[in-house]
Formats: sequence, structure tokens, C-alpha cells
Amino acid sequence: KAGVTQTPRYLIKTRGQQVTLSCSPISGHRSVSWYQQTPGQGLQFLFEYFSETQRNKGNFPGRFSGRQFSNSRSEMNVSTLELGDSALYLCASSLLWTGTSRGNTEAFFGQGTRLTVV
Amino acid sequence: AQKITQTQPGMFVQEKEAVTLDCTYDTSDQSYGLFWYKQPSSGEMIFLIYQGSYDEQNATEGRYSLNFQKARKSANLVISASQLGDSAMYFCAMREGVSSGSARQLTFGSGTQLTVLP
Repeated sequence: KAGVTQTPRYLIKTRGQQVTLSCSPISGHRSVSWYQQTPGQGLQFLFEYFSETQRNKGNFPGRFSGRQFSNSRSEMNVSTLELGDSALYLCASSLLWTGTSRGNTEAFFGQGTRLTVV
Repeated sequence: AQKITQTQPGMFVQEKEAVTLDCTYDTSDQSYGLFWYKQPSSGEMIFLIYQGSYDEQNATEGRYSLNFQKARKSANLVISASQLGDSAMYFCAMREGVSSGSARQLTFGSGTQLTVLP
């Protein structure tokens, strides 16, 4: 069974540009969540989607947005890039988003997209 | 207050020895799940072990075991017979939830960098 696929793996963008990152979850998983990882702030939650609806959102500015398609694939978009947006962006897929049993909410991560803003 | 606290930024262990990585958490929920992930330098977050708040037995997965002390709100990871390939960053995470409602996002600790010495 294929794992979580994130594309692209590496990206270099200029300040002010926008970027779109993609995440394909494990087949059958309907929940996709996004995290930003930086050396200074650690791992921070961006948002979570389930059945094409955003269910939960972290404390990030409106420049960060996302969506989920009917096949559960998700994209996140960052507009007007800033130097501080340089980070590893990780996507995780889960079977469901409710409950706490391992089978439902165990999160499997992709390898991440490393974004560098120059 | 920090929801997940990992007090050991770095740890060293001799190959073939056991090592304990500390994790304490803070939540007022009765229903929650605790996770440990390993992140090698490649960036991917690899699931290691899960403990549900209602699980009476400590979780074990091969060489990994979780020392769950609910009253003390601690969930320490024990790695037995360390191998050179265990050198990585280790993250403790929690997913809070209400049994009949929605689960919230994974909240991560700051991580512990484990180095296994030959």
C-alpha cells in the first residue's frame, strides 16, 4: 500500500511569490492535515481537512490556505511568501479525524516539502 | 502552558544499550492519544508507538515500549537494544479528543535528538 506522497520535495521561491504544495494521502484515508516545521518554532499545526471540508485550523495568517479534493488529495497554498515561511511542510493522513482510537486517528506522514524562500 | 514537554534536547546511548526518552503532557481531556514519532535527517516522520488514555497496558512495538504513567501525565519512550540506525530526532505528540465528538490536531513536543554511539 503506497504511503503519503508529497510533491515537490524541494522548492525555492522568491519573496512575494506564491506556492502550492500537494499531498496524496494513503488510499482510503479521508483526513489530511498539514504541519509546518522550523528550527525555531518546531512543529506547528496548519489545518486539517476531512471530506473536502476544513475541520480545524491552526494559528497562521490568511496567506496560508488549503483545500481537499473529492479523491482526498490536498493542496496547501501560501501567497505573498516571506523569508520566515522557509520550512519543512509535512502532510499527514489519517483514516478519520474523530475519536482517539489508534486505528482512526493514527497519522502517517509524508516525506515533506522543503520550501526555501529567498 | 506547554501541552507536550520533552526536557532532553539531546541524548547519547551506547549501541545495544537501552535508553529512555522523557515526555510529559498536559490536558484536561479524559480521552486522548499519545504518539511517538522518529524523524531521521531525511525529514519523514515515522510512527513508532501509540498509547490511548484508556489503555490499561503499556504499549509495546518491537524494541519500543511506552512507559505510561497517567497520574503523573508522563509517556516515556523506551528503546531497548539501541542500534546505530536509531540515531534521529524523536517527537512525542498528543491528540486530544472527546469520545463522542471531534479529535483535535496532533500537538508535538520540541523533540529529543538521540545519538547512538558505536
